[in-house]
Order: sequence, then C-alpha cells, then structure tokens
Amino acid sequence: DIQMTQSPSSLSASVGDRVTITCRASQTISSYLNWYQQKPGKAPKLLIHAASSLQSGVPSRFRGSGSGTDFTLTISSLQPEDFATYYCQQSYSTPFTFGPGTKVEIK
Amino acid sequence: QVQLQESGPGLVRPSETLSLTCTVSGGSISSYFWNWIRQPPGKGLEWIGYIYYSGSTNYNPSLKSRVTISVDTSKNHFSLNLSSVTAADTAVYFCARGPLGYCSGGICKPNRMDVWGKGTTVTVSS
Repeated sequence: DIQMTQSPSSLSASVGDRVTITCRASQTISSYLNWYQQKPGKAPKLLIHAASSLQSGVPSRFRGSGSGTDFTLTISSLQPEDFATYYCQQSYSTPFTFGPGTKVEIK
Repeated sequence: QVQLQESGPGLVRPSETLSLTCTVSGGSISSYFWNWIRQPPGKGLEWIGYIYYSGSTNYNPSLKSRVTISVDTSKNHFSLNLSSVTAADTAVYFCARGPLGYCSGGICKPNRMDVWGKGTTVTVSS
C-alpha cells in the first residue's frame, strides 16, 4: 500500500493568513493526488484533483501543486469558512489511501 | 445535481453483517465508479472499495475477505455488505462517486471522489 503523510498535523492561523499544508507519498504517484476538506459532522468535500486542478465551485484561493512524491495545498488568504481538517488522497493505485489529516484551527 | 444518500441500520451486533445502501438521485448510476469509505470516531478516512456500474469491483485488501459491494442499476443504488463485524467496524460510512480517471492494460479506475453522501453512523455493539 502507498502510505500518505501530512504535515503539520495541526496549525493555528488567523483570517487572512496564507496557509500551506504538505503531503508526501511513500512512492511516486505522478499527479494522482487529491485534496479534501472536512468540517465536523460533515462529509469530505473535494477541493483539488490531479494535484493542481481546482474542482468546480471551489474558490480560487485554494491551490494545489506538486508531483511525484511531494505535494502542497496552499490557501492564499484564509477565510472563516476554511477552518476544517484537510486530507490528501492518492488515486495512483489501489487500495486508495488518505493522509492522516491536517486540522486548521483559529488562532 | 447528483445527490447520494446512505441508508441502513445504525446498530449491528458483533459477528453479524453490516448492510448499507447508497441511493443516487439527480443523475444516473451509469458510467461512474461508486465508492464506500469509512471514518472511525475521531479518526481518519479509510477507503473500503468501489464498484463500476457494470459490476466490476475493487476492494481494500485489509477488508477484502469480509466485503461485498453490489450495484442495482434499475434502482439507481449500490450496496455494501461487511460480514463478521466487530467493534473496530464502528464508524461513519460514506458513499462517494468516482468519475473515470484513466485506463491501463484494459483496467480502468476512478481518479477522485467528487460527490459524497452525508454519511451514516454504524455502531457495532451487543
């Protein structure tokens, strides 16, 4: 199985801050990397697919980058509705696997 | 727009079979992959498996011996059966749509999960 790691596991930030979350795969996954946002008690929501493609309807302040084993999700200006947990997920090979999540909290 | 709704018992006895259904509304079940994912309380996400509308399946090896996913295109729904459950199977279970991503060697796979159900909580307890 491909192992996914994320850093940091949590962070505190203020509205308007630029936030960067890193995801690393245990082997190369090309660009088969997705990012999801999950709020408490809700289902995950797809933000970014294929490492850098913005899902329809997702604000442009979300940006994904990377390929191979190292990926980044950047929120350019954090908004109140962005406080949530973010997961990366590889779709390169089955079993599909998720990172452990990064919780973005209000400072 | 497409919506997914999970349904099934919220309480399952140990050693019995967990059975859930995901109903697809606002769109056809055809031409997509359909996934099951679960999330134990306070923990991360675990992919269980998917089924293509044609019936081909792919399961997580960690659960493969206990999992069956089936599809009923006439009812526009797909289902999950997980046998011999224990307390470790207590989780929120989500269904999600997977658009066709790529094909290699005659095998096609989804590349993302773009529409999710709200999830249903299943507790395994006597």
